[in-house]
Amino acid sequence: DVKVTQSSRYLVKRTGEKVFLECVQDMDHENMFWYRQDPGLGLRLIYFSYDVKMKEKGDIPEGYSVSREKKERFSLILESASTNQTSMYLCASRIIGEQFFGPGTRLTVL
Amino acid sequence: DQQVKQNSPSLSVQEGRISILNCDYTNSMFDYFLWYKKYPAEGPTFLISISSIKDKNEDGRFTVFLNKSAKHLSLHIVPSQPGDSAVYFCAASGGTYKYIFGTGTRLKVLA
Repeated sequence: DVKVTQSSRYLVKRTGEKVFLECVQDMDHENMFWYRQDPGLGLRLIYFSYDVKMKEKGDIPEGYSVSREKKERFSLILESASTNQTSMYLCASRIIGEQFFGPGTRLTVL
Repeated sequence: DQQVKQNSPSLSVQEGRISILNCDYTNSMFDYFLWYKKYPAEGPTFLISISSIKDKNEDGRFTVFLNKSAKHLSLHIVPSQPGDSAVYFCAASGGTYKYIFGTGTRLKVLA
């Protein structure tokens, strides 16, 4: 069974803080993704990585950066959190075909 | 520009009846389509997929239909069960790493 884990289920941060969201997958998948899910907007792609140290911007990369130093780990960084980044963040991995999602991190920025 | 659209934000169906969830897309380069189910406070889980070379794929109670000329796909759940109550997302891919997701349809199956 593919397992994608995310470091926190719930997180509360203050405006201006630097926030790290970690994602780990155990299936040696090359592709990893970060999405955010907002009501009425579905899942929107923030960044994806197709290999170690390789990354590409998704549809809404502004205010975010990512890091992929090891194949199994993909980190999403909010350099200076803002209230409009309050959302559900979902990590996924894929080798071919379907994507496997982690449980999500509900981030609240006050 | 929403390339994948789910025009019904919600749907209620009686237990035992058929649930039909719809999805429209605009990009004719999409060649692989998927449906995901999401419960609150959980990540989406894969349900069923279909390649553009087929027009139907079936897996137990779930069937996905693809109409390429209309750029439309639908998910049929027969019979619907209360445990099917969730948000359903369709997604499309066109030979790249990226999947484009729809906005989701919340299905409620009434007991």
